[in-house]
Amino acid sequence: DTGVSQDPRHKITKRGQNVTFRCDPISEHNRLYWYRQTLGQGPEFLTYFQNEAQLEKSRLLSDRFSAERPKGSFSTLEIQRTEQGDSAMYLCASNPGNTEAFFGQGTRLTVV
Amino acid sequence: KNEVEQSPQNLTAQEGEFITINCSYSVGISALHWLQQHPGGGIVSLFMLSSGKKKHGRLIATINIQEKHSSLHITASHPRDSAVYICAVKKGGSEKLVFGKGTKLTVNP
Repeated sequence: DTGVSQDPRHKITKRGQNVTFRCDPISEHNRLYWYRQTLGQGPEFLTYFQNEAQLEKSRLLSDRFSAERPKGSFSTLEIQRTEQGDSAMYLCASNPGNTEAFFGQGTRLTVV
Repeated sequence: KNEVEQSPQNLTAQEGEFITINCSYSVGISALHWLQQHPGGGIVSLFMLSSGKKKHGRLIATINIQEKHSSLHITASHPRDSAVYICAVKKGGSEKLVFGKGTKLTVNP
């Protein structure tokens, strides 16, 4: 257990539905990252927060994706109007600065 | 071409063997990470390095900045080392990590 929690661990949803995932980083970590990993591939960067500010966002993140970190603590990632191509593992990571990253266990999304 | 390439993609070894996994990258970086991912998804950070060599137990990581190459070595491998090992780089001027596709290691008893 790295101390980074993600909820839920698994989510099955029908195409077109909206889903929201939560990440609770280690409490003193001001940096939080979201990544997406499809089967057989390495993770891909989605977005980065420093405290509550979203400072980097990947071009992979379409308009259907939005992430927030309202109080600089937990973060949510919402996917609207899910598509089958959104099926993946969504990983959250945090760190207190320019150090190693601590990853959560991930949320596995299956869109049927 | 991917910015981070790992080799080999798959590696099978017998318990006790010395293992090397390679990572080459094509961009300027501020740091390189080696990560371990077990089935089920959880990723654990093994090393973060920007120069030279680091050692932790049976694991050794080296980086050659001029050649844009890093290696992860496992001495006296054990079946519990079986996992996917991922190389990731932090590009200069960015906070994001760019990942390789991973090397799946299987150590047989």
